[in-house]
Amino acid sequence: DVKVTQSSRYLVKRTGEKVFLECVQDMDHENMFWYRQDPGLGLRLIYFSYDVKMKEKGDIPEGYSVSREKKERFSLILESASTNQTSMYLCASSHGTDMYNEQFFGPGTRLTVL
Amino acid sequence: SQQGEEDPQALSIQEGENATMNCSYKTSINNLQWYRQNSGRGLVHLILIRSNEREKHSGRLRVTLDTSKKSSSLLITASRAADTASYFCAVYNQGGKLIFGQGTELSVKP
Repeated sequence: DVKVTQSSRYLVKRTGEKVFLECVQDMDHENMFWYRQDPGLGLRLIYFSYDVKMKEKGDIPEGYSVSREKKERFSLILESASTNQTSMYLCASSHGTDMYNEQFFGPGTRLTVL
Repeated sequence: SQQGEEDPQALSIQEGENATMNCSYKTSINNLQWYRQNSGRGLVHLILIRSNEREKHSGRLRVTLDTSKKSSSLLITASRAADTASYFCAVYNQGGKLIFGQGTELSVKP
């Protein structure tokens, strides 16, 4: 079974802190994604990566950056956390041969910024 | 706006009944996918139906696709309390990004 893990289920940080959210997948997937999910707004794509050291902006990249140094790991970084970044963060991965493949999600990290 | 839009937003049924959720989308598609999300958890992929398919089954799930109407439906037969979750349809947009609808919240009462 595909397994996507995220470093924390719940995280509480203070405004201005640098926050790292880690995501690891064990199926040798080429593609990895970071979403945030908010009530009434659904899932929104923050960043994605089709290969190691490669990254592309999604629909809402402002205030975030990412790092993909190894194929299995995709990190989301909040350089200076703000209260409007309080949200559920979901990482996903997919196989790269077909760009229209299904995505496999991690359990999510609920981040609260005080 | 979202590519995929589910209807209804919320659905409450008794255990054993069937649940039907609908999804509409706006552009041409390669495939349409359905996902389930239990409260506070990540999404789980349920089923993918390609644009040249009209119907697909997986266990108690039945998905139909009507590309002329740009719509899909997800039917869960003989529902169980464990089916209580949010259900999302998703399609890829022309930029290659998977776009999710707002979801249908299904509540199955024992």
